[in-house]
Amino acid sequence: DIQMTQSPSSVSASVGDRVTITCQASQAIGTWLAWYQQKPGQAPKLLIFPASRLQSGVPSRFSGSGSGTDFTLTISSLQPEDFATYYCQQANSFPLAFGQGTRLEIK
Amino acid sequence: QVHLVESGGGVVQPGGSLRVSCEASGFTFRNYGMSWVRQAPGKGLQWVAFIQSDANKEYYSDSVKGRFTVSRDNSKNTLYLHMSGLRADDSAVYYCAKGIDPAVVTVFDDWGQGTLVTVSS
Repeated sequence: DIQMTQSPSSVSASVGDRVTITCQASQAIGTWLAWYQQKPGQAPKLLIFPASRLQSGVPSRFSGSGSGTDFTLTISSLQPEDFATYYCQQANSFPLAFGQGTRLEIK
Repeated sequence: QVHLVESGGGVVQPGGSLRVSCEASGFTFRNYGMSWVRQAPGKGLQWVAFIQSDANKEYYSDSVKGRFTVSRDNSKNTLYLHMSGLRADDSAVYYCAKGIDPAVVTVFDDWGQGTLVTVSS
């Protein structure tokens, strides 16, 4: 089974900051990697899949990169609505797996 | 517009059973693989189960294999998760989630609002 390791588990940042979240797969998954954003009390929202393709309607300040085992999500200039929890997910094979999540908090 | 509406959650005793449902609308349900994903209170997301569009294939996480069964009724546009042998660590919000297209069943672009299952005596 493929395990996903996400870091950091939490990060404090200010509006306008650049933030990077990393995700590592326990084995190569090509670009079968998705990123989700979840706000309190809401279902997750798909941001990026495969590894670097923004979903329709996602602001261009979000970007994803990586392939194989190492991936990153970058938010270039944080906006107030970006403070949320972010999850990576391997979509290569069953059983599917999410990272532990990164909580992005306002400094 | 896609709508996924879960129902059937509640409080159940350890060792008990429960069936949760997900009614789908706004897309051709019979063409899409569907999954259940859960989230324990204050915790992260955990994929639980998947069922192929024609119900010919199912996959489960190790933590629920042998205890949970996913099924669907394409004539009713409804997805089910039958849970038995419930344990305290099964307590979570259970989301149904739709694959982004018929060929990509492992990434989810639409989710329901979730239904809360609490396992407690």
